[in-house]
Amino acid sequence: DGGITQSPKYLFRKEGQNVTLSCEQNLNHDAMYWYRQDPGQGLRLIYYSQIVNDFQKGDIAEGYSVSREKKESFPLTVTSAQKNPTAFYLCASSAQGDTQYFGPGTRLTVL
Amino acid sequence: RKEVEQDPGPFNVPEGATVAFNCTYSNSASQSFFWYRQDCRKEPKLLMSVYSSGNEDGRFTAQLNRASQYISLLIRDSKLSDSATYLCVVRGSNYQLIWGAGTKLIIKP
Repeated sequence: DGGITQSPKYLFRKEGQNVTLSCEQNLNHDAMYWYRQDPGQGLRLIYYSQIVNDFQKGDIAEGYSVSREKKESFPLTVTSAQKNPTAFYLCASSAQGDTQYFGPGTRLTVL
Repeated sequence: RKEVEQDPGPFNVPEGATVAFNCTYSNSASQSFFWYRQDCRKEPKLLMSVYSSGNEDGRFTAQLNRASQYISLLIRDSKLSDSATYLCVVRGSNYQLIWGAGTKLIIKP
């Protein structure tokens, strides 16, 4: 089955903790993206990567970090510097310039 | 002014009716336009791209009006399963996607 997987589905974080969200795709897409969605708002771009070993900040990168060591994987770390991390996190991938396809998302809650 | 604006709704529509909603965008250099559908607590899924000449896919019709900078989505013969949030997406000149906050549609039996 081709697609994008994200794990975990639900994640709880204590104040001051770093957590890492997983995103894997087997669609052979070059580009991958991380978005954050808050209630009543559109998706906001956190980071994106158009090729392995390269990534760019999106509109709201502060408090987040990413890596792209493999084409299939684009993990997102939510650091303790992110003051309001509770949100729905969505990973997407695309062939260059083409339609974006999304994983099922991770719901992160700060306790 | 937001780059992509949508009426948040909800639009409450009886089953079988026709419903339409618009989305306005601020950047006249925008390149591509899309409608995505998002079910509650799920990921967005592409519904259709919007072409300059307009396009139709079954009960769904999308239109682009570049002069007035809006796109529209028309749903005919609405089904209960059409209940969802519809997200308007615009690709800007830097190829990044700008997302609207969505319009919530509720189809009632």
